[in-house]
Amino acid sequence: EVKLVESGGGLVQPGGSLRLSCAASGFTFSTYWMSWVRHAPGEGPEWVANIMLGGSEKSYVDSVKGRFTISRDNAKNSLYLEMNSLRAEDTAIYYCVRVGSGRTFEYWGQGTLVTVSS
Amino acid sequence: DIVMTQTPLSSPVTLGQPASISCRSSQSLVHSDGNTYLSWFQQRPGQPPRLLISKISNRFSGVPDRFSGSGAGTDFTLEISRVEAEDVGVYYCMQATQLPPLFGQGTKLEIK
Repeated sequence: EVKLVESGGGLVQPGGSLRLSCAASGFTFSTYWMSWVRHAPGEGPEWVANIMLGGSEKSYVDSVKGRFTISRDNAKNSLYLEMNSLRAEDTAIYYCVRVGSGRTFEYWGQGTLVTVSS
Repeated sequence: DIVMTQTPLSSPVTLGQPASISCRSSQSLVHSDGNTYLSWFQQRPGQPPRLLISKISNRFSGVPDRFSGSGAGTDFTLEISRVEAEDVGVYYCMQATQLPPLFGQGTKLEIK
């Protein structure tokens, strides 16, 4: 069974930092692209970042470029999102997602809530 | 960026009756590799989104066959042949033909 478990969310002040983690199990982690997708209340989900198999190729939505960094540790079956210079508009549930062969988001974790507020 | 527009935004349906959700993209979603990367997701209350359909019409593992997808180019449809109580939630289309992957604004399916 594919399982994705996020951690690291919480309340942070504007300008602060957080590091999200995702523990993956039930599949060969190193053979899948992975993504972070966030979902703010009242809006549609928003893709945040992708990372390819070895971790060298990454892409980001424009609104987080230069502030967020996606990374992975295939030996630990783990995905990470380092978030700096956080803004109120980054407030959302952040999901760890496995990317499938149809360029789609096949499996989602339960999410971790990030709240940016003073 | 491509813009994804879903209609209706809300769809009250009777149990056992069909339901249909439309998704329109501002540009063709046909990729240079010949595939069309249009997916549909269901989000039940309090749950993460769940993949229903990828590449217009391919049902994901475990998805009931009452869900079907169709369309081409810029116009796509998700159909539920007979709505069940467990189908209540918000449905999203998503394109991944171009970066960034983009979701529609969602259609709320509720029971009359």
